[in-house]
Amino acid sequence: DAGVIQSPRHEVTEMGQEVTLRCKPISGHDYLFWYRQTMMRGLELLIYFNNNVPIDDSGMPEDRFSAKMPNASFSTLKIQPSEPRDSAVYFCASSSYLSNQPQHFGDGTRLSIL
Amino acid sequence: KQEVTQIPAALSVPEGENLVLNCSFTDSAIYNLQWFRQDPGKGLTSLLLIQSSQREQTSGRLNASLDKSSGRSTLYIAASQPGDSATYLCAVRRGNAGNMLTFGGGTRLMVKP
Repeated sequence: DAGVIQSPRHEVTEMGQEVTLRCKPISGHDYLFWYRQTMMRGLELLIYFNNNVPIDDSGMPEDRFSAKMPNASFSTLKIQPSEPRDSAVYFCASSSYLSNQPQHFGDGTRLSIL
Repeated sequence: KQEVTQIPAALSVPEGENLVLNCSFTDSAIYNLQWFRQDPGKGLTSLLLIQSSQREQTSGRLNASLDKSSGRSTLYIAASQPGDSATYLCAVRRGNAGNMLTFGGGTRLMVKP
């Protein structure tokens, strides 16, 4: 089991640029989650998918953020245009449909917008 | 709106000490509660998951309890070791629909040799 894989691990870019974060969930997991972690706000759920369909995107901060899951093994989180306040660590997590199973997290993408 | 609070925010103890981390939540209508560990620069690793019908779960030196009516959970770590140094987060699952978690702010633990 390779775990949840995120890329890139680090991203530094200038304000206004488009940023794309990638996630490969654990094979067989039905749910995929995108989180953002900052010192000020802690860990916040941005959006989650069930069987590749977005279920709740109420945590997405602005229209500049969008997420897709074209198939069961790949998801992207895109920020366009990026702003300095988007700087954070972005985590992807996945889980099975079983209620007694936890979410499994990737190692995150540390994003810095200059 | 569910709010999850963890106290203390940081804790430093000598090796070998038994310790308790606290987690409280405002809405008792939870589906389950989970404890995670986060090491610097890493993602979260699940430690224990307690279903709403359960009172506690144990794994090795870790024991987590749940009192849903009072909105509280504790994580007990026995005979702490320097390798236990990390941030510990609790999270509550909001309900049966989906699998959304609300996280506390975490407790940063340092165990000194």
